[in-house]
Amino acid sequence: AQKITQTQPGMFVQEKEAVTLDCTYDTSDQSYGLFWYKQPSSGEMIFLIYQGSYDEQNATEGRYSLNFQKARKSANLVISASQLGDSAMYFCAMRVPFGNEKLTFGTGTRLTIIP
Amino acid sequence: DTAVSQTPKYLVTQMGNDKSIKCEQNLGHDTMYWYKQDSKKFLKIMFSYNNKELIINETVPNRFSPKSPDKAHLNLHINSLELGDSAVYFCASSQRRDNNQPQHFGDGTRLSIL
Repeated sequence: AQKITQTQPGMFVQEKEAVTLDCTYDTSDQSYGLFWYKQPSSGEMIFLIYQGSYDEQNATEGRYSLNFQKARKSANLVISASQLGDSAMYFCAMRVPFGNEKLTFGTGTRLTIIP
Repeated sequence: DTAVSQTPKYLVTQMGNDKSIKCEQNLGHDTMYWYKQDSKKFLKIMFSYNNKELIINETVPNRFSPKSPDKAHLNLHINSLELGDSAVYFCASSQRRDNNQPQHFGDGTRLSIL
């Protein structure tokens, strides 16, 4: 069974600072995908970034980057130069392909950006 | 253009009633999902359909019955609603063989049981 752990229930960060949101995962599969989603107060789920287990480079998407440490089974999200609009819930999720299509989510981190 | 659309956005109803939530995607995906987000914001898979065929049923009470008339639609019918069914229900879709592609979510349906 897959498991995702997000140990930071809430974080407060000053605007323009970088922030790291922690995510560790547990799976016995060699092939898997890791995803980060953002859920603002309006409620929708917004896809941010993806990392495949065989990807050698850390994924980047604009201000978002994923610090992937396979041996430690961690996939931390780094947001550079935080903005007020980054205030939201952030979820780490994992998908194991080849028949098991569901996303297994962590419990989320509520990020608040302070002006 | 809305990629995954769910209706209604809000649903307030009495305990014991039957209600349905509709979901449609225009992304051409072959797999659709229902997730439940509880009051603590925890998201959990309920069902998954691939090309109208049920592939995941995560020990959901049989009061919940998904129906997929075609691969672009996945509806959720709930019988005899209970207080514990109050949650946000998200529909999502993806292409099964594109393992590096994200699941695209609808905006959610907030179900409140009185």
